[in-house]
Amino acid sequence: SQQGEEDPQALSIQEGENATMNCSYKTSINNLQWYRQNSGRGLVHLILIRSNEREKHSGRLRVTLDTSKKSSSLLITASRAADTASYFCAPLYNQGGKLIFGQGTELSVKP
Amino acid sequence: GAGVSQTPSNKVTEKGKYVELRCDPISGHTALYWYRQSLGQGPEFLIYFQGTGAADDSGLPNDRFFAVRPEGSVSTLKIQRTERGDSAVYLCASSLTGQGESYEQYFGPGTRLTVT
Repeated sequence: SQQGEEDPQALSIQEGENATMNCSYKTSINNLQWYRQNSGRGLVHLILIRSNEREKHSGRLRVTLDTSKKSSSLLITASRAADTASYFCAPLYNQGGKLIFGQGTELSVKP
Repeated sequence: GAGVSQTPSNKVTEKGKYVELRCDPISGHTALYWYRQSLGQGPEFLIYFQGTGAADDSGLPNDRFFAVRPEGSVSTLKIQRTERGDSAVYLCASSLTGQGESYEQYFGPGTRLTVT
């Protein structure tokens, strides 16, 4: 399978703590994207990191990419209850555009 | 204009019936994607359009599923002889382009299809 595999499947933390989610994939990629989904509907794009990039930041989000290990991580700092959602990584393996999603990490941030 | 829109938001149909699901992408986005998502799973790719043509339909599960995008904007996903296993949330996404530099995809809210 070419899908990204997220780890852990579920994560529960207290508000203010940091949350780290990991993603592994199988073959070389064009880029890797992270998405958030609330309540099982519409996904929201968070960050796109290209294969020649190693780290990217967006607000409280930090994404790293290690192409030698075929892995990526998403760090959410100073988490809030509103960050409670499912998070998906989606490797893009060629320039054709389709994303291959894994099962996601279900994050619960308790106030 | 606004984001990707999908209609209807919910559709309940009987087994064996025909359904059409509509997607309005973001204006100017040439690439359009259909995914479906079952409970507890990530979205599963169905088909991708670049302009009016289907560039990749490898995710369509069988010949009961068909999608069109006749004018390169709105797309319709058509399911014939629906089965209970087709019940899922059908998601549509669009992006500036699907070729060359690959951009982020913007998702609609989805259509929840229930086949009884």
